[in-house]
Amino acid sequence: DGGITQSPKYLFRKEGQNVTLSCEQNLNHDAMYWYRQDPGQGLRLIYYSQIVNDFQKGDIAEGYSVSREKKESFPLTVTSAQKNPTAFYLCASRRESAGGLFFGEGSRLTVL
Amino acid sequence: DAKTTQPPSMDCAEGRAANLPCNHSTISGNEYVYWYRQIHSQGPQYIIHGLKNNETNEMASLIITEDRKSSTLILPHATLRDTAVYYCIVSPAFQGAQKLVFGQGTRLTINP
Repeated sequence: DGGITQSPKYLFRKEGQNVTLSCEQNLNHDAMYWYRQDPGQGLRLIYYSQIVNDFQKGDIAEGYSVSREKKESFPLTVTSAQKNPTAFYLCASRRESAGGLFFGEGSRLTVL
Repeated sequence: DAKTTQPPSMDCAEGRAANLPCNHSTISGNEYVYWYRQIHSQGPQYIIHGLKNNETNEMASLIITEDRKSSTLILPHATLRDTAVYYCIVSPAFQGAQKLVFGQGTRLTINP
């Protein structure tokens, strides 16, 4: 079945370590997004990408990096520069025309 | 910043219609209204979207006012499984990846 797969679902890391969250989609969608969600809060946009090798910063890009080397993949790296990385991270994709966002199940990152 | 305003919480009795309002007074002519919902600790789920006409699918109905400055999502016969946070967002449809910004949403509680 088509969909978006995020991995890992749960991740623990020590302060000062970089960590990469995987997001893969087989929906043939052009646009992909990364959001962050803190407890009791809405979603905040980190990065988004329309096509391969192109991406734009969202509202809270500091301390994060992304790549879009393949249409199907949009990994997010949480760097040691991110001051409060503990959060629920959500990846989404969308086709070019008037469609809704399809979300993955999320990755919960905890910094110890 | 989010371009929509929603009440923070609502309650509805099981079996009754749940009507969730959204204000989007600054909506542009090419922007669609999208609704999503998020059940605790899961990725958001797309529900419905519309431009200016009312829309209905198997999940819900969307009523958009004639001036397009507000809309209402209707869950016709709410069940306990409809308890979730509901997000209303606006977005252009045909311009590739957009900076899709989510607000705080409405926490809907369905009571038995």
